[in-house]
Amino acid sequence: NAGVMQNPRHLVRRRGQEARLRCSPMKGHSHVYWYRQLPEEGLKFMVYLQKENIIDESGMPKERFSAEFPKEGPSILRIQQVVRGDSAAYFCASSPVDSPGEQYFGPGTRLTVT
Amino acid sequence: GQQLNQSPQSMFIQEGEDVSMNCTSSSIFNTWLWYKQDPGEGPVLLIALYKAGELTSNGRLTAQFGITRKDSFLNISASIPSDVGIYFCAGRTMNRDDKIIFGKGTRLHILP
Repeated sequence: NAGVMQNPRHLVRRRGQEARLRCSPMKGHSHVYWYRQLPEEGLKFMVYLQKENIIDESGMPKERFSAEFPKEGPSILRIQQVVRGDSAAYFCASSPVDSPGEQYFGPGTRLTVT
Repeated sequence: GQQLNQSPQSMFIQEGEDVSMNCTSSSIFNTWLWYKQDPGEGPVLLIALYKAGELTSNGRLTAQFGITRKDSFLNISASIPSDVGIYFCAGRTMNRDDKIIFGKGTRLHILP
């Protein structure tokens, strides 16, 4: 009974490169959420997706950030032209259809921009 | 926007002591969640609360959904070293947009 999977666990990018973060939800879960966490901070909501649909992206920066959850395959959070301020831990969570309020988190991807 | 005020920010206790932390909000929530995060890991769901007044236990942990729907507390009894970590409260809003808002966390330290 695998939990939420995220990869890579650690990602180092130079300024200006692209970062792609992947999330596979728990089996049977169709809702995916992405959060960003800075050191010593709480989790900040970024985007909520269901299969092939973005439900709420109110927490996503307007530029350079995008997310998708295709019919097949993992959810992807994509950051183009990364800057130092993008360095953070990015967590994905998933929830089942019948209990959307219960979110289960993956181990996170720690992005470092040099 | 909606905010959760979580307190205390950090706690230093002796092993064996009981711990209490809480979250308050100016908004009404229909779900309260409590998570624990260990260093380098994702948050782990401890307790989920769905009804005002609900009191739920999970081992040495007890959490309650406040009667006003604007607050929740988490108690840990007889703390042990593995309780060290960051505890987050989270609330899901009444407008059912499935968005969950997190508090800033309570950092629990256990003194040797």
